[in-house]
Amino acid sequence: GAVVSQHPSRVICKSGTSVKIECRSLDFQATTMFWYRQFPKQSLMLMATSNEGSKATYEQGVEKDKFLINHASLTLSTLTVTSAHPEDSSFYICSVRVLYGYTFGSGTRLTVV
Amino acid sequence: KQEVTQIPAALSVPEGENLVLNCSFTDSAIYNLQWFRQDPGKGLTSLLLIQSSQREQTSGRLNASLDKSSGRSTLYIAASQPGDSATYLCAATSGGSEKLVFGKGTKLTVNP
Repeated sequence: GAVVSQHPSRVICKSGTSVKIECRSLDFQATTMFWYRQFPKQSLMLMATSNEGSKATYEQGVEKDKFLINHASLTLSTLTVTSAHPEDSSFYICSVRVLYGYTFGSGTRLTVV
Repeated sequence: KQEVTQIPAALSVPEGENLVLNCSFTDSAIYNLQWFRQDPGKGLTSLLLIQSSQREQTSGRLNASLDKSSGRSTLYIAASQPGDSATYLCAATSGGSEKLVFGKGTKLTVNP
Protein backbone atom coordinates (compact mmCIF):
# COMPACT_ATOMS: atom_id res chain seq x y z
CA GLY A 1 0.00 0.00 0.00
CA ALA A 2 0.90 3.66 -0.23
CA VAL A 3 3.45 4.73 2.37
CA VAL A 4 4.20 8.27 3.46
CA SER A 5 7.37 8.87 5.45
CA GLN A 6 7.73 11.97 7.61
CA HIS A 7 10.87 13.20 9.35
CA PRO A 8 11.82 14.11 11.95
CA SER A 9 9.33 12.55 14.36
CA ARG A 10 10.36 14.93 17.14
CA VAL A 11 12.30 18.15 17.16
CA ILE A 12 13.12 20.70 19.82
CA CYS A 13 14.40 24.06 18.70
CA LYS A 14 15.20 27.42 20.20
CA SER A 15 12.92 30.36 19.71
CA GLY A 16 13.86 32.32 16.59
CA THR A 17 15.34 29.42 14.67
CA SER A 18 13.85 27.60 11.68
CA VAL A 19 12.86 23.97 11.42
CA LYS A 20 12.34 21.89 8.29
CA ILE A 21 9.97 18.91 8.18
CA GLU A 22 10.07 16.45 5.30
CA CYS A 23 7.25 14.39 3.86
CA ARG A 24 8.06 11.70 1.31
CA SER A 25 5.86 9.37 -0.68
CA LEU A 26 7.88 6.17 -0.80
CA ASP A 27 6.27 4.04 -3.47
CA PHE A 28 4.19 6.41 -5.55
CA GLN A 29 4.22 9.89 -7.02
CA ALA A 30 2.22 12.63 -5.38
CA THR A 31 1.43 15.82 -7.23
CA THR A 32 -0.45 17.09 -4.21
CA MET A 33 0.33 16.79 -0.52
CA PHE A 34 -1.48 18.26 2.43
CA TRP A 35 -0.07 19.70 5.66
CA TYR A 36 -2.05 19.63 8.89
CA ARG A 37 -1.51 20.94 12.37
CA GLN A 38 -2.95 19.44 15.53
CA PHE A 39 -3.11 21.08 18.93
CA PRO A 40 -3.54 18.97 22.07
CA LYS A 41 -7.00 17.45 22.31
CA GLN A 42 -8.01 19.20 19.10
CA SER A 43 -8.73 17.95 15.65
CA LEU A 44 -6.47 18.21 12.65
CA MET A 45 -6.62 21.53 10.87
CA LEU A 46 -5.53 21.82 7.27
CA MET A 47 -2.77 24.39 6.92
CA ALA A 48 -1.95 24.22 3.24
CA THR A 49 -2.09 22.19 0.07
CA SER A 50 1.30 21.55 -1.48
CA ASN A 51 1.40 21.35 -5.27
CA GLU A 52 4.38 19.90 -7.14
CA GLY A 53 6.10 22.54 -9.20
CA SER A 54 3.91 25.41 -8.11
CA LYS A 55 3.07 27.53 -5.11
CA ALA A 56 1.26 26.05 -2.15
CA THR A 57 -2.29 27.03 -1.38
CA TYR A 58 -2.68 28.20 2.20
CA GLU A 59 -5.80 28.08 4.31
CA GLN A 60 -7.22 31.28 5.70
CA GLY A 61 -5.33 32.48 8.72
CA VAL A 62 -2.13 30.54 7.99
CA GLU A 63 0.92 32.78 7.59
CA LYS A 64 2.63 32.02 4.30
CA ASP A 65 5.89 33.62 5.33
CA LYS A 66 6.07 31.66 8.56
CA PHE A 67 5.17 28.26 7.15
CA LEU A 68 7.15 27.83 3.94
CA ILE A 69 6.16 24.89 1.79
CA ASN A 70 8.27 23.52 -1.05
CA HIS A 71 7.13 20.65 -3.28
CA ALA A 72 10.09 20.34 -5.60
CA SER A 73 9.56 16.75 -6.72
CA LEU A 74 6.78 14.22 -7.07
CA THR A 75 7.91 12.42 -3.94
CA LEU A 76 8.97 15.16 -1.54
CA SER A 77 7.28 18.10 0.13
CA THR A 78 8.87 20.14 2.91
CA LEU A 79 7.39 22.43 5.53
CA THR A 80 9.73 24.97 7.08
CA VAL A 81 8.65 26.77 10.21
CA THR A 82 10.59 30.01 10.13
CA SER A 83 11.51 32.11 13.15
CA ALA A 84 9.76 29.64 15.39
CA HIS A 85 8.12 30.77 18.60
CA PRO A 86 6.70 28.76 21.50
CA GLU A 87 3.17 29.19 20.14
CA ASP A 88 4.27 27.25 17.03
CA SER A 89 4.78 24.19 19.20
CA SER A 90 2.39 21.61 17.86
CA PHE A 91 2.02 18.30 16.04
CA TYR A 92 2.48 18.64 12.28
CA ILE A 93 1.40 15.89 9.91
CA CYS A 94 1.35 15.47 6.16
CA SER A 95 -1.05 13.56 3.99
CA VAL A 96 -1.35 12.34 0.44
CA ARG A 97 -4.43 11.43 -1.50
CA VAL A 98 -4.28 7.89 -2.82
CA LEU A 99 -6.59 5.97 -5.13
CA TYR A 100 -9.23 5.80 -2.45
CA GLY A 101 -8.98 8.09 0.50
CA TYR A 102 -5.90 9.53 2.13
CA THR A 103 -2.79 8.22 3.81
CA PHE A 104 -0.86 10.08 6.47
CA GLY A 105 2.70 10.40 7.65
CA SER A 106 3.64 9.59 11.23
CA GLY A 107 3.73 13.24 12.25
CA THR A 108 6.31 15.59 13.75
CA ARG A 109 6.14 16.87 17.31
CA LEU A 110 7.68 20.36 17.32
CA THR A 111 8.61 21.96 20.62
CA VAL A 112 9.96 25.51 20.58
CA VAL A 113 11.76 26.54 23.76
CA LYS B 1 -18.97 24.54 4.49
CA GLN B 2 -18.64 20.99 5.78
CA GLU B 3 -18.57 20.49 9.53
CA VAL B 4 -17.92 17.16 11.20
CA THR B 5 -18.92 16.33 14.76
CA GLN B 6 -18.06 13.28 16.82
CA ILE B 7 -19.91 12.19 19.91
CA PRO B 8 -18.97 11.20 22.53
CA ALA B 9 -15.61 12.88 23.04
CA ALA B 10 -14.50 10.02 25.24
CA LEU B 11 -15.72 6.51 25.89
CA SER B 12 -14.60 3.87 28.36
CA VAL B 13 -15.78 0.27 28.05
CA PRO B 14 -14.85 -3.13 29.50
CA GLU B 15 -13.02 -5.58 27.29
CA GLY B 16 -15.26 -7.69 25.10
CA GLU B 17 -18.01 -5.15 24.73
CA ASN B 18 -19.40 -4.16 21.34
CA LEU B 19 -19.49 -0.41 20.81
CA VAL B 20 -20.53 2.28 18.36
CA LEU B 21 -18.79 5.56 17.63
CA ASN B 22 -20.79 8.32 16.02
CA CYS B 23 -19.90 10.89 13.39
CA SER B 24 -22.23 13.51 11.90
CA PHE B 25 -21.66 15.90 9.02
CA THR B 26 -23.54 18.93 7.78
CA ASP B 27 -23.06 18.75 4.01
CA SER B 28 -24.78 15.72 2.50
CA ALA B 29 -22.90 16.21 -0.80
CA ILE B 30 -20.27 13.96 0.62
CA TYR B 31 -17.67 12.33 -1.61
CA ASN B 32 -15.82 10.10 0.82
CA LEU B 33 -15.97 9.45 4.53
CA GLN B 34 -12.92 7.93 6.15
CA TRP B 35 -12.35 6.60 9.65
CA PHE B 36 -8.88 6.80 11.20
CA ARG B 37 -7.22 5.65 14.36
CA GLN B 38 -4.63 7.79 16.14
CA ASP B 39 -2.46 6.50 18.96
CA PRO B 40 -0.96 9.09 21.37
CA GLY B 41 1.77 11.11 19.69
CA LYS B 42 1.45 9.15 16.48
CA GLY B 43 0.14 9.65 12.99
CA LEU B 44 -3.16 8.48 11.56
CA THR B 45 -3.91 4.94 10.49
CA SER B 46 -6.71 4.55 7.99
CA LEU B 47 -9.33 2.06 9.12
CA LEU B 48 -12.17 2.24 6.64
CA LEU B 49 -13.19 4.37 3.68
CA ILE B 50 -16.78 4.68 2.52
CA GLN B 51 -17.42 6.22 -0.85
CA SER B 52 -20.60 8.20 -1.43
CA SER B 53 -22.17 5.38 -3.42
CA GLN B 54 -21.63 2.89 -0.60
CA ARG B 55 -23.56 2.35 2.59
CA GLU B 56 -21.04 0.39 4.62
CA GLN B 57 -17.60 -1.14 4.72
CA THR B 58 -16.24 -3.93 6.88
CA SER B 59 -12.76 -4.91 7.95
CA GLY B 60 -12.34 -7.60 10.56
CA ARG B 61 -14.09 -6.49 13.75
CA LEU B 62 -14.82 -3.06 12.33
CA ASN B 63 -17.89 -1.99 10.40
CA ALA B 64 -18.54 1.54 9.21
CA SER B 65 -21.83 2.78 7.83
CA LEU B 66 -22.82 5.89 5.95
CA ASP B 67 -26.25 7.50 5.79
CA LYS B 68 -26.05 10.63 3.67
CA SER B 69 -29.69 11.57 4.12
CA SER B 70 -29.32 11.85 7.88
CA GLY B 71 -25.75 13.13 7.76
CA ARG B 72 -24.39 10.32 9.89
CA SER B 73 -21.73 7.67 9.93
CA THR B 74 -21.08 5.08 12.60
CA LEU B 75 -18.08 2.93 13.38
CA TYR B 76 -19.00 -0.36 15.03
CA ILE B 77 -16.29 -2.24 16.91
CA ALA B 78 -17.09 -5.80 17.88
CA ALA B 79 -15.61 -7.62 20.85
CA SER B 80 -13.43 -4.71 21.88
CA GLN B 81 -9.88 -5.34 23.10
CA PRO B 82 -7.44 -3.22 25.17
CA GLY B 83 -5.40 -2.80 22.01
CA ASP B 84 -8.32 -0.90 20.48
CA SER B 85 -7.70 1.95 22.92
CA ALA B 86 -6.93 5.02 20.82
CA THR B 87 -8.56 8.14 19.45
CA TYR B 88 -10.85 7.51 16.51
CA LEU B 89 -11.31 10.26 13.95
CA CYS B 90 -13.76 10.55 11.12
CA ALA B 91 -13.15 12.85 8.19
CA ALA B 92 -15.08 13.75 5.07
CA THR B 93 -14.49 15.20 1.66
CA SER B 94 -17.38 16.90 -0.07
CA GLY B 95 -18.46 19.38 -2.68
CA GLY B 96 -15.75 18.45 -5.16
CA SER B 97 -13.02 19.55 -2.76
CA GLU B 98 -10.00 17.40 -1.95
CA LYS B 99 -9.86 18.81 1.54
CA LEU B 100 -10.48 16.43 4.41
CA VAL B 101 -12.58 17.91 7.19
CA PHE B 102 -12.03 16.19 10.52
CA GLY B 103 -14.12 15.74 13.61
CA LYS B 104 -12.45 16.21 16.99
CA GLY B 105 -12.36 12.51 17.62
CA THR B 106 -13.57 10.03 20.20
CA LYS B 107 -11.01 8.82 22.71
CA LEU B 108 -11.72 5.16 23.37
CA THR B 109 -10.42 3.28 26.39
CA VAL B 110 -10.98 -0.46 26.60
CA ASN B 111 -10.35 -1.72 30.10
CA PRO B 112 -8.99 -5.24 30.65
